[in-house]
Amino acid sequence: NTVMSQSPTSMFISVGDRVTMNCKASQNVGTNVDWYQQKTGQSPKLLIYGASNRYTGVPDRFTGSGSGTDFTLTISNMQAEDLALYYCLQYDFNPRTFGGGTKLELK
Amino acid sequence: QVQLKESGPVLVQASETLSLTCTVSGFSLTNYGVIWVRQPPGKGLEWMGIMWRNGNTDYNSALKSRLSINRDTSKSQVFLKMNSLQTDDTAIYYCTRADYYDGYYHFAYWGQGTLVTVSS
Repeated sequence: NTVMSQSPTSMFISVGDRVTMNCKASQNVGTNVDWYQQKTGQSPKLLIYGASNRYTGVPDRFTGSGSGTDFTLTISNMQAEDLALYYCLQYDFNPRTFGGGTKLELK
Repeated sequence: QVQLKESGPVLVQASETLSLTCTVSGFSLTNYGVIWVRQPPGKGLEWMGIMWRNGNTDYNSALKSRLSINRDTSKSQVFLKMNSLQTDDTAIYYCTRADYYDGYYHFAYWGQGTLVTVSS
């Protein structure tokens, strides 16, 4: 299976920070990567599909980039409501596989 | 509006079979696929399998020998059955809808999830 490795596993941030998190695929997945946000006690929410396309209604402070094996999710001007776990997912190979997540916490 | 809701037992004994139902509203199962995803407490997400809109299914190879997904389109329900449960099957089980963008499906709508605990 394609392994998706996310780093860091957690980040301590402040409101207003620019946040960058990474996802590395164990093989080339093209741009077939999603990013999901999961707040405590909630279901995941789709943020980014196709590595860089914002889903409907997602604020433009969320930006996805990358291709091949290396992907990045950036949150510019971090808001308190963005505190959550973030997961990447590859859908180039079956089975679809998620990364282990990056948790954003307040400093 | 689009809704998905999982239901089933909260506690299952090890070695027994888990049966879950995903009841959907706001769309037809003949127009959209439904996927099952699970999440062990405090851990990451696992794609389990999909009921395609045409009634076909695909499963995660790691679970394929134990898992079956079926549906009743007249009741707008998708069913998950998984046998030979072990304690590491304890998880929140989600159903999600397959929404197409860029030629692939994505998980745009999710149920609230249902926590299933497997007891030894």
